[in-house]
Formats: sequence, C-alpha cells, structure tokens
Amino acid sequence: DAKTTQPNSMESNEEEPVHLPCNHSTISGTDYIHWYRQLPSQGPEYVIHGLTSNVNNRMASLAIAEDRKSSTLILHRATLRDAAVYYCILRDRGSQGNLIFGKGTKLSVKP
Amino acid sequence: KAGVTQTPRYLIKTRGQQVTLSCSPISGHRSVSWYQQTPGQGLQFLFEYFSETQRNKGNFPGRFSGRQFSNSRSEMNVSTLELGDSALYLCASNYPGREGYTFGSGTRLTVV
Repeated sequence: DAKTTQPNSMESNEEEPVHLPCNHSTISGTDYIHWYRQLPSQGPEYVIHGLTSNVNNRMASLAIAEDRKSSTLILHRATLRDAAVYYCILRDRGSQGNLIFGKGTKLSVKP
Repeated sequence: KAGVTQTPRYLIKTRGQQVTLSCSPISGHRSVSWYQQTPGQGLQFLFEYFSETQRNKGNFPGRFSGRQFSNSRSEMNVSTLELGDSALYLCASNYPGREGYTFGSGTRLTVV
C-alpha cells in the first residue's frame, strides 16, 4: 500500500473550519483515500472516504486534488469534541486487506 | 444498532500467562479484524477473519492467534505473555462490499 504523510499536530479554534492535509504522492489509480479519527480512550472512527471526486457527509468533507497526490479533510466548524488523532489511509479498491495506520495528525481545539 | 463490543475492557495478566480477548461485531458484519495499539508502534494489524477463515495476517509472532465463530464473533489469544504485549487491542468489523470499518473501544491489556 502507498504511504501517506500528515503533519504531526495542528491547532484550531472552536467553531472555525479546520483543514487537515494529507500527501500521498505514490497513490495508485485504484486506491481509495480513507480518513479515520481516534478520540481519547476510544477506538478509531470512520470519517469519510473517496476515490476521485470531492465527498461530503454529515461529519466532514473530503477534497481530493485533481492529480490525487494530496487530499484535505475539512471540518466545517470545529467543536471541542473534534479533538482527536486523524489518520489518512490509502486502501486499494476491493482490497481484502487491512488498514495501514500511520502516525496521524493530532488535532487540538481551543475554546 | 449495537456497535462492536469488546470484552473485557481491562485486563491485568502476569508474564508467561495466556489471555483470550473477545469481539462481537455489528450484526450482519462478517469481517473481523484485530489491531494492537502501543505508544511506540501505533496501530498495527494483527489478523482478519471472514466467514470463520483467516484471510490476512500481520507481522506478529505465532503467540498471537485468533479464530472466528459461525456467528461472526471472534476471539484472539496471546500465549506466553511478555511485558511488551501490554497494549490496547482493538477489534473492527466490516460489512461485505462496504469500505468503512467500525471499531470497538478496545481491551486494555497490562502485563506485569
């Protein structure tokens, strides 16, 4: 599986938008881009995934660069409950394999 | 809708002992994966089961084993525990054809 690169940490203010970047320059054409987050003392939680087009759901939006070498997870209005470690993961379409977690980005949200 | 249930939540064992952890996936989910999370190594894949068969295995010693039952519930076993096995063990389940996995809250294992 191709590798992803994320900043170690980011800070945000409550009720402001947050843009979490992820670089994946070696992405293949069949790799989905997945985002999970892990709140303190909990297991990871699925956030969103996409292949080529931008995606929106009730939790977040995923913006994918035209060349697919990078993507951005957008939290439209950060709340204190969004403080977590966010993981960007590539997974081959139809893969029966596991998720490969990197170090992720630790997001802190200030009131 | 019930989530992924892992039992027990916390466990303390002594070096050399063995331990069995349990995972009940979401109803209808047939794939169950196990992960180990430590501060040093982060989240690492242990193995995945689908329809009672191990489909994928991570790079862990043979002391780590698992199984899945006909109702999709899964157990993992660690024999001859070492101090380094202290970790949060997470289970995740997935519906066939769907992309997202649902994780449990984990079992915190401490080996003393």
